[in-house]
Amino acid sequence: EEHLVESGGELVQPGGSLRLSCAASAFTFSSYWMNWVRQAPGKGLEWVANINPDGSGKYYVDSVKGRFTISRDNAKNSLYLQMNSLRVEDTAVYYCARDRGPWGQGTLVTVSP
Amino acid sequence: DIQMTQSPSSLSASVGDRVTITCRASQSISGSLNWYQQKPGKAPKPMLYDTSNLQSGVPSRFSGSGSGTDYTLTISSLQPEDFATYYCQQTYRAPDTFGQGTKVEIK
Repeated sequence: EEHLVESGGELVQPGGSLRLSCAASAFTFSSYWMNWVRQAPGKGLEWVANINPDGSGKYYVDSVKGRFTISRDNAKNSLYLQMNSLRVEDTAVYYCARDRGPWGQGTLVTVSP
Repeated sequence: DIQMTQSPSSLSASVGDRVTITCRASQSISGSLNWYQQKPGKAPKPMLYDTSNLQSGVPSRFSGSGSGTDYTLTISSLQPEDFATYYCQQTYRAPDTFGQGTKVEIK
């Protein structure tokens, strides 16, 4: 069964950094666009970033441009989100999602003094 | 950015009812429209992609239609496990924006 598992979420102070990872299995990872989507507590879904299959194309929501970097390692079937200069408003569950495919279970990022 | 507006924001329905949720884009998205179901405390579940294509394992009572700026998700006969929040998402142009969600509750 196609599967995504996120990791790396934790409590961090404002201004800090965090790297999220997403491990993919049971599908040809290198063939798909991949996404990060977040959901703040009690709020709706917000698309954060995506990356094309070979990693040469990356897109971001305006609120994270210049602070977050999406990347992938197709040899390791893994997706990453490097988050710098974190703000309180970045607090959310972060989901890894495949284009037209499965989502992971999410990892919680809490930004708080 | 393309804005996605769902309606209604919430609805109450009974088991067996036909339910329709609409999603309107601020510009044409040429059918690049996905639907997701989310239950409390769970990750969103992909239901349909590219307007009308059912994801594997999704019951046939779910269907999608639309074109241009207007899209609909229809549940032909609401079942107890369908009570959830539904989101639309356009993937026509980045940022891939979501609608605000429609909560389907038990009447």
